[in-house]
Amino acid sequence: EIVMTQSPATLSVSPGEIATLSCRASQSISTNLAWYQLKPGQSPRLLIYDASTRATGIPARFSGGGSATEFTLTISSLQSEDFALYYCQQFNNWPRTFGQGTKVDIK
Amino acid sequence: QVQLQESGPGLAKPSETLSLTCTVSGGPINNYYWNWIRQPPGKGLEWIGYIFNSGSTNYNPSLKSRVTISVDTSKNQFSLRLTSINAADTALYYCVRSEGWTSAFDIWGQGTVVTVSS
Repeated sequence: EIVMTQSPATLSVSPGEIATLSCRASQSISTNLAWYQLKPGQSPRLLIYDASTRATGIPARFSGGGSATEFTLTISSLQSEDFALYYCQQFNNWPRTFGQGTKVDIK
Repeated sequence: QVQLQESGPGLAKPSETLSLTCTVSGGPINNYYWNWIRQPPGKGLEWIGYIFNSGSTNYNPSLKSRVTISVDTSKNQFSLRLTSINAADTALYYCVRSEGWTSAFDIWGQGTVVTVSS
C-alpha cells in the first residue's frame, strides 16, 4: 500500500501568518491527493482534491499544490477557525491511505 | 444538502460482532461510493472499505477477513459489520461518501465512538 508521510507533526503559527504543510507519498500518485480538516466534535471537512482544487465553500486562503510524490497545503493568513488537524489522503491506489496528520496550533 | 448519520452501540465486547449503520439524508444513495473510515484514539485515519450500488464492495486488506459492508436502498442506509472484534477496533467510526472510483471523500458523518471492552 502507499504510505503517506506528513510533516511537521505539529506546526505552531500566529494568527494572520502563513502555514505550509507537507505530504509525501511513497510512490507516485499523480495529483490524486486530498486534504481534510478535522476538529473535535465536527464532521471532517474536505478542503482540497486533485491536489489543488478547492472543495465547495472552502475559502481562497487554502491552497494546494504538488504532484507525483510531493504535495503541500498552504493556509495564508491563518484565522482562529483554522487551528485544527489536517490530513492528506491518496486516492490513486487501493487501499486508500492517509498521512498521520499535522496539528496546526496557536503560537 | 446531503447528510450522513452513524448509529450503533457505543460499547461492544471482545470477540463479538460490531454492527454500525449509516443513514443518508438529503440525497440519493445510488451511484455513489459509500465508505467506512475509522480513527483509533490518538492515531490516524484508516479506510475500512466501500460499497457501490448494492453489490460492488472493496475492503482494506488489513480488515478484509472480518468486514462486510451492505446497503439497504429502500431505507437509504448502508451498514458495517466487523467480526471477532478486539481492543484494537476501539475507534471513532465515520461513514463517508465519495463520488467516483477515483474521488476524494467529500461528505462525512460526525462519527460514532465504539469502545471494545469486556
